[in-house]
Amino acid sequence: NAGVMQNPRHLVRRRGQEARLRCSPMKGHSHVYWYRQLPEEGLKFMVYLQKENIIDESGMPKERFSAEFPKEGPSILRIQQVVRGDSAAYFCASSPRTSGQETQYFGPGTRLLVL
Amino acid sequence: GNSVTQMEGPVTLSEEAFLTINCTYTATGYPSLFWYVQYPGEGLQLLLKATKADDKGSNKGFEATYRKETTSFHLEKGSVQVSDSAVYFCALNSGGSNYKLTFGKGTLLTVNP
Repeated sequence: NAGVMQNPRHLVRRRGQEARLRCSPMKGHSHVYWYRQLPEEGLKFMVYLQKENIIDESGMPKERFSAEFPKEGPSILRIQQVVRGDSAAYFCASSPRTSGQETQYFGPGTRLLVL
Repeated sequence: GNSVTQMEGPVTLSEEAFLTINCTYTATGYPSLFWYVQYPGEGLQLLLKATKADDKGSNKGFEATYRKETTSFHLEKGSVQVSDSAVYFCALNSGGSNYKLTFGKGTLLTVNP
């Protein structure tokens, strides 16, 4: 049973370019969460999605960031016009359902470096 | 709101030493508590969890007990190994509709041979 998959593992972008991060949840999981880890900090919640729905995006910056989880295919976190402050590790997690008690399983992360 | 405070690192121990990493929390409702471990260059792996007061989570020799009276979930291991060197994160996830994991800042553990 494959775990949560993320790609690419490493992404380098120049300022002003777009970054697109992909996440495939574990088999049977329909809930996806994105977290960001800035250097030497803990993970911060960004967004929670179910298939075709954004449930909570309260942790997402208001501009340049968007997320989707289409009916088919992986979840995508998109960052437009990247800036140096976007350099971080972005982790995706998935769970089978949400009751507040469900364990979230994390992917290996995408490490974004903005030059 | 929810918050997690964990012991600041880095923590450096010799192999076979006893480990404690303190974690206290503030939360509404009845949170589940977790310890995640992040090895260098990798993602987070769930180490152990506890879902109600007085539960003890355990895995790979690590233990943590959910103490509601002291709002704590301290991580312990009786004899650490070099392979335990990693960053350890305490986290909580309140029940009901609060699905967001709230993490502490992490504690870097280095175990020397």
